[in-house]
Amino acid sequence: NAGVTQTPKFQVLKTGQSMTLQCAQDMNHNSMYWYRQDPGMGLRLIYYSASEGTTDKGEVPNGYNVSRLNKREFSLRLESAAPSQTSVYFCASSEWGQGSGYGYTFGSGTRLTVV
Amino acid sequence: AQTVTQSQPEMSVQEAETVTLSCTYDTSENNYYLFWYKQPPSRQMILVIRQEAYKQQNATENRFSVNFQKAAKSFSLKISDSQLGDTAMYFCAFMKWGGATNKLIFGTGTLLAVQP
Repeated sequence: NAGVTQTPKFQVLKTGQSMTLQCAQDMNHNSMYWYRQDPGMGLRLIYYSASEGTTDKGEVPNGYNVSRLNKREFSLRLESAAPSQTSVYFCASSEWGQGSGYGYTFGSGTRLTVV
Repeated sequence: AQTVTQSQPEMSVQEAETVTLSCTYDTSENNYYLFWYKQPPSRQMILVIRQEAYKQQNATENRFSVNFQKAAKSFSLKISDSQLGDTAMYFCAFMKWGGATNKLIFGTGTLLAVQP
């Protein structure tokens, strides 16, 4: 099925460990996003990529890095995980211009726990 | 900067009744989009309804409708004939019109419980 695929769905890390969350979309969208969801705070933007080859910081970028590998793939890396990064992470994609008014297509999320 | 406020953290409604979820936003933009997303326990984010700010007519999708008041910067969601499957977290979201960086800005969510 067309859409956004995130892996893994669940992950437990120890403080200080690193990991990469993978995201791929097959809708030929130009823009991709990483959000984190925390109770009582909604979804907050970590990083986004307006197009292949570009990335920009969102609202909460500290402690994260991203790579837009190609048009399809946008990965999120935690270099040294901290308990404050325990969250649910969502990847999403969208089209430009007026097409963006149809909102995002979201992945199914990754529940990350840092102990 | 734009902000989205959902002042009702939790709500409850009886099956088959009608419920309204509130959302207000702050922006200096004239053209934008507003959305309601549903997040059931499966965690999947599902688009419920969208509204273009330049359209005066309120959007409707089956049992879901909005009351869009542009001057008041208010965008409430009405769910009619509530069903058990409507139990979910609901997020209001804002997006500026056009451009290459179409960031969605979310409210904090309203957890809706539909009671049998």
